[in-house]
Amino acid sequence: EADIYQTPRYLVIGTGKKITLECSQTMGHDKMYWYQQDPGMELHLIHYSYGVNSTEKGDLSSESTVSRIRTEHFPLTLESARPSHTSQYLCASNKGSGTEAFFGQGTRLTVV
Amino acid sequence: GENVEQHPSTLSVQEGDSAVIKCTYSDSASNYFPWYKQELGKRPQLIIDIRSNVGEKKDQRIAVTLNKTAKHFSLHITETQPEDSAVYFCAAMNSGYSTLTFGKGTMLLVSP
Repeated sequence: EADIYQTPRYLVIGTGKKITLECSQTMGHDKMYWYQQDPGMELHLIHYSYGVNSTEKGDLSSESTVSRIRTEHFPLTLESARPSHTSQYLCASNKGSGTEAFFGQGTRLTVV
Repeated sequence: GENVEQHPSTLSVQEGDSAVIKCTYSDSASNYFPWYKQELGKRPQLIIDIRSNVGEKKDQRIAVTLNKTAKHFSLHITETQPEDSAVYFCAAMNSGYSTLTFGKGTMLLVSP
C-alpha cells in the first residue's frame, strides 16, 4: 500500500549520541519535508527537498541535517543529540505545489 | 515569506453546535489552502482544501470559505460530534513554492 513510513516511532537516547530518523515513501512523490512538532502543537518546517540531491533548510533553525540520495528516502540526522531536541518529528511528502501533503506517523524523540 | 495566523487556539463546543476556525495569510500569491485534522497521537490528515479560483467548498458537515481580497479563509464544521475533537491546522501555499506554511493549530473539544 502506498504510504509514508517513519522509523523508529519512539526513541529515547542519551545526550551526545548521533541518531538518524528514517523516512521512506512509496507514493512516488518528488517533494519531501521534515517538520518538528512541539508540545504546543505548532508544526515547524526544518528541512525540505524538491527531489534527488536537493535539500533546503526550513523556517526553523535546526542542528539536524538531511540527505536525499534516493527519491523515496529522506533521512534526518542529529550528530549530537541534546535535551532541547526532544520533540516529535513528522515527515511528509507531496507530488508538487498545490497538492495534498501526506504525513508519516512521526518519531517521538526523547533525549535524556 | 508566507505568514499564517490561526484563531482561536482552543475552541470548546457542545455536541450538535457549529464550530468556526479562522485563518489569515500574508502572501497574496498564495493559491492553495488545505485544512488538516490531527487526532491525539496520530498524524495530520487532510480533511478539505480550497484553491484560489473558488470562494467556497463543502464536503458533508465541513465547509471552507476563502476571501482573497481580505486574505482570510475559514473552516466551518456543522453538527459537531465528539469524534470531531482534534487539533485542526490551516495552511497556505504559493504555487511558486513547494512548502506549506501552517497556522499554529486549533484544539477543538466537542462535549457530549
